[in-house]
Amino acid sequence: QSVLTQSPSVSAAPGQKVTISCSGSSSNIGNNYVSWYQQLPGTAPKLLIYGNDERPSGIPDRFSGSKSGTSATLGITGLQTGDEADYYCGTWDNSLSAGVFGGGTKLTVL
Amino acid sequence: EVQLVQSGAEVKKPGESLKISCKGSGYSFSAYWVGWVRQMPGKGLEWMGIIFPGDSDTTYSPSFQGQVTISADKSISTAYLQWNSLKASDTAMYYCARREVPGNYFDSWGQGTPVTVSS
Repeated sequence: QSVLTQSPSVSAAPGQKVTISCSGSSSNIGNNYVSWYQQLPGTAPKLLIYGNDERPSGIPDRFSGSKSGTSATLGITGLQTGDEADYYCGTWDNSLSAGVFGGGTKLTVL
Repeated sequence: EVQLVQSGAEVKKPGESLKISCKGSGYSFSAYWVGWVRQMPGKGLEWMGIIFPGDSDTTYSPSFQGQVTISADKSISTAYLQWNSLKASDTAMYYCARREVPGNYFDSWGQGTPVTVSS
């Protein structure tokens, strides 16, 4: 059971928008930055969002992040078939004194 | 360009020892934390631990404390993940990644090392 809770799956049509949520607590999301990672099938994870809402260079602005209280959200607009992947949130947990990931959300672009 | 290159696939028997590696290049290896992440077959990412190669300061997730050893040799820009006695449940893909602080995020990842433990 992951410390951070994500819905197992989400789906939407090409061109549409989708949001992926990540729920935690005051010991993790509530008091630390959140990052998001994309893992395409058979590949290593890739950083999509850091610092709650910052995009690394090369990440298109179709991807966005936000945080409110003890929850964080990844938004993806203009969905493409190439966005089909597993998406993970991550942060630090002050109680564990360690990093934690969400269980992951599988995005299907119908 | 920041790169993390991991050692190759391993097939081991239960009870055997193993040390896998992660070589960094394109940045000052001693100045950035390096972390290890486990992904069991068909499962999600698990944060195992991190090391600061500059002084070998190490932090483990409680789930992995005592189960593995993380080390680094800054002279050759390489981090390691080690097991003394493998179990079948250690079968997984293991990723190393460079950790940025503040923010506690992994900005560059290795390609992964698959480890299979089977009798």
